[in-house]
Amino acid sequence: GAGVSQTPSNKVTEKGKYVELRCDPISGHTALYWYRQSLGQGPEFLIYFQGTGAADDSGLPNDRFFAVRPEGSVSTLKIQRTERGDSAVYLCASSLAGRGYEQYFGPGTRLTVT
Amino acid sequence: QQQVKQSPQSLIVQKGGISIINCAYENTAFDYFPWYQQFPGKGPALLIAIRPDVSEKKEGRFTISFNKSAKQFSLHIMDSQPGDSATYFCAATVGNTGKLIFGQGTTLQVKP
Repeated sequence: GAGVSQTPSNKVTEKGKYVELRCDPISGHTALYWYRQSLGQGPEFLIYFQGTGAADDSGLPNDRFFAVRPEGSVSTLKIQRTERGDSAVYLCASSLAGRGYEQYFGPGTRLTVT
Repeated sequence: QQQVKQSPQSLIVQKGGISIINCAYENTAFDYFPWYQQFPGKGPALLIAIRPDVSEKKEGRFTISFNKSAKQFSLHIMDSQPGDSATYFCAATVGNTGKLIFGQGTTLQVKP
């Protein structure tokens, strides 16, 4: 079956602009995670959704970052007033039901802020 | 206390050899320890995982050894192949959400 998909695969934007990154989880997976991976580092947790609600957003670095999952499937990560330090690969993962279940990752969106 | 420390940062092994990557943690609340394999330009892929009530788990050429008292766990790749050349991450989960805390990664190169 189809895995986790993310669009776009690459995004280049200017400092100060707004960007949206999209994640399509595996069908039937109720849990969805966003992580951020900087060059040469392990992924860092950003936010976790169980269904439509953000159950844990403790990893969001500041209020410029926001994510939604309005129908409990597709999720969008939104970054306002982008900064050069936001440049990273943004990874999405989904799992059947959250804790205790395997997480499957998408290929990521490489964001470059110039 | 939320960290997972991984070593070595890079590793070169001859084809057919054993690759060993180590991880250590402090938080005794961690209750699930997966290993992920990542190729350039791809997302991490789950390789093998273990829970703290088990000391060892083997799947094919991949084995996790877990030492609960020392708060350490390791990945052993037997008969390493050039196709195993990738970056490997250990991780741990904590709390009710299952969010993953990752190590810093180990870049493995298997020479033919």
